[in-house]
Amino acid sequence: QLVLTQSPSASASLGASVKLTCTLSSGHSNNAIAWHQQQPEKGPRFLMRLNSDGSHSKGDGIPDRFSGSSSGAERYLTISSLQSEDEADYYCQTWGAGIWIFGGGTKLTVL
Amino acid sequence: EVQLVESGGGLVQPGGSLRLSCATSGFTYSSYWMNWVRQAPGKGLEWVANLNQDGREKYYVDSVKGRFTVSRDNAKNSLYLQMNSLRVEDTAVYYCVRGGQPFLWGQGTLVTVSS
Repeated sequence: QLVLTQSPSASASLGASVKLTCTLSSGHSNNAIAWHQQQPEKGPRFLMRLNSDGSHSKGDGIPDRFSGSSSGAERYLTISSLQSEDEADYYCQTWGAGIWIFGGGTKLTVL
Repeated sequence: EVQLVESGGGLVQPGGSLRLSCATSGFTYSSYWMNWVRQAPGKGLEWVANLNQDGREKYYVDSVKGRFTVSRDNAKNSLYLQMNSLRVEDTAVYYCVRGGQPFLWGQGTLVTVSS
């Protein structure tokens, strides 16, 4: 069964970097995923598509501070030079056999 | 400008029906899979349904099978979600989402199912 696992919360200081993790379930380590950001009281925004080899393509207007990487079944979103507006929920998402699956989301707090 | 604009949300009683629409512009609509994703109050994102470019291939999350129907009109660049036999647990903001690269989200429309 295709499942995405995310830690419920993360925190980091203003100006620092943070690495969020999304783990694919067994047997699906080659899946590409997408990362989406949802700021408080707003709709989600596409950040990037991330492939199993770590290559990624970002959405329009997404700052260079956002980057992605992969290792095995893990998919990472790294945000550098954290800003207050980066405080948001971050969701990973994948697809297979026509359906979409979302992870539970990680709530990022910028201290 | 590339955009997706949902409409049709509102308050409906349990067992009632509602039809959501998503008007698109700024891209070749007929070239993309289209999706509906919802978010219950205070909860995460949940994919609901999608369909392929010509509308012949459709998929649904188990909880809405037999109650919801997704459709599209490529001549009108529009996506629809017919929701029947609505339940309290269908209460959510419903988003229209374009698949492909890049993904594209609408602003959402709120559906409230309550007596």
